[in-house]
Amino acid sequence: AQSVAQPEDQVNVAEGNPLTVKCTYSVSGNPYLFWYVQYPNRGLQFLLKYITGDNLVKGSYGFEAEFNKSQTSFHLKKPSALVSDSALYFCAVRAAGASGGSYIPTFGRGTSLIVHP
Amino acid sequence: DAGITQSPRHKVTETGTPVTLRCHQTENHRYMYWYRQDPGHGLRLIHYSYGVKDTDKGEVSDGYSVSRSKTEDFLLTLESATSSQTSVYFCAISTNRGGSGNTIYFGEGSWLTVV
Repeated sequence: AQSVAQPEDQVNVAEGNPLTVKCTYSVSGNPYLFWYVQYPNRGLQFLLKYITGDNLVKGSYGFEAEFNKSQTSFHLKKPSALVSDSALYFCAVRAAGASGGSYIPTFGRGTSLIVHP
Repeated sequence: DAGITQSPRHKVTETGTPVTLRCHQTENHRYMYWYRQDPGHGLRLIHYSYGVKDTDKGEVSDGYSVSRSKTEDFLLTLESATSSQTSVYFCAISTNRGGSGNTIYFGEGSWLTVV
């Protein structure tokens, strides 16, 4: 079975400071990892994904994520937070090479990011 | 933008009435999904489809049925709505756009209130 943990329900950061939203995962074999962002009353928007290769993945809106296999983590980061980054962030994982129903990613419960002016 | 349209976007219905939510996609993707989002639970998969007339259950399928008679449409039906089905429902599609990994893209959601 695959699972995702987002240990923080809420992250608070001041505008201009770096931000980190944490994600750890459990999956059989190699993972495919994803980050999504959800603004109020909107659907989830894809930010970035790790498939293979460089452990640092760059995505939309200046976000990046670092894959750490030994710690089974995929933390989302941004060097300088903006008030407009305030949103709900979801991490997701699926097993690489999976087929059938097991290719469907499992989502975490989400982390609310609040960026203070 | 994955060309996903959900309808209705907002609906209030009474307990015991049937409700159908529609998901329409314009890009001929094979895989389609229905999720519900609830506070404290995140996203939970209700049903998914891997082709016309090919569907399967997700983790919270009780009380829901789906149909996919053509590639572009995936319908979610609540046969007899209950208050526990008050939620936000998201349709999604899966694509290999941008390489491997079957990235999932979501629609804008349907807010359902059962009173």
